[in-house]
Amino acid sequence: GDSVTQMEGPVTLSEEAFLTINCTYTATGYPSLFWYVQYPGEGLQLLLKATKADDKGSNKGFEATYRKETTSFHLEKGSVQVSDSAVYFCALSDPGDLEKLTFGTGTRLTIIP
Amino acid sequence: DSGVTQTPKHLITATGQRVTLRCSPRSGDLSVYWYQQSLDQGLQFLIQYYNGEERAKGNILERFSAQQFPDLHSELNLSSLELGDSALYFCASSVGWHQNYGYTFGSGTRLTVV
Repeated sequence: GDSVTQMEGPVTLSEEAFLTINCTYTATGYPSLFWYVQYPGEGLQLLLKATKADDKGSNKGFEATYRKETTSFHLEKGSVQVSDSAVYFCALSDPGDLEKLTFGTGTRLTIIP
Repeated sequence: DSGVTQTPKHLITATGQRVTLRCSPRSGDLSVYWYQQSLDQGLQFLIQYYNGEERAKGNILERFSAQQFPDLHSELNLSSLELGDSALYFCASSVGWHQNYGYTFGSGTRLTVV
């Protein structure tokens, strides 16, 4: 079945550091890929998405590129802020099973001033 | 505020009991999805309703059931509760029957079974 593997956390960075959170996937078809963010005490919010190979999703300074050849969708940000501290989830939607999302286990990110 | 409302925010109950979690989707959304977030299993899809009808079922236990009412709010019923049912239960909504462009999540109900 489909699966998403994320970089183990927690990740702690200093403010203005470069961020990469790795995400790889296994799917039978050509999935859509998502990054969700969960701030403390809140639900998940869609951060960005990409629906086909080589698409780049971007939002709030975060970027991720759909790499079919490496089955990856790594999240990057050039300069993180304290307000980026949250849990980040990579997820996929299989075109044969569009009703649900398959999530990775989440990566907790803490940014220190 | 995401527009998806879940109540209650916290629930503490004893093993063997039954609880009902409620979700009101974002205005205009016809689909409601339920997810369970636990420490050992991560986020697991439970069930989806679209415009009052069950659309998809995931890893939902037989002790659990859900429904979507004519006003589109949904309820998740959990019965014969066990310690392992302690988790965060999220509801999400979307306009269409699938979520290819992403869901909107509520802030969740934290269930603690003691």
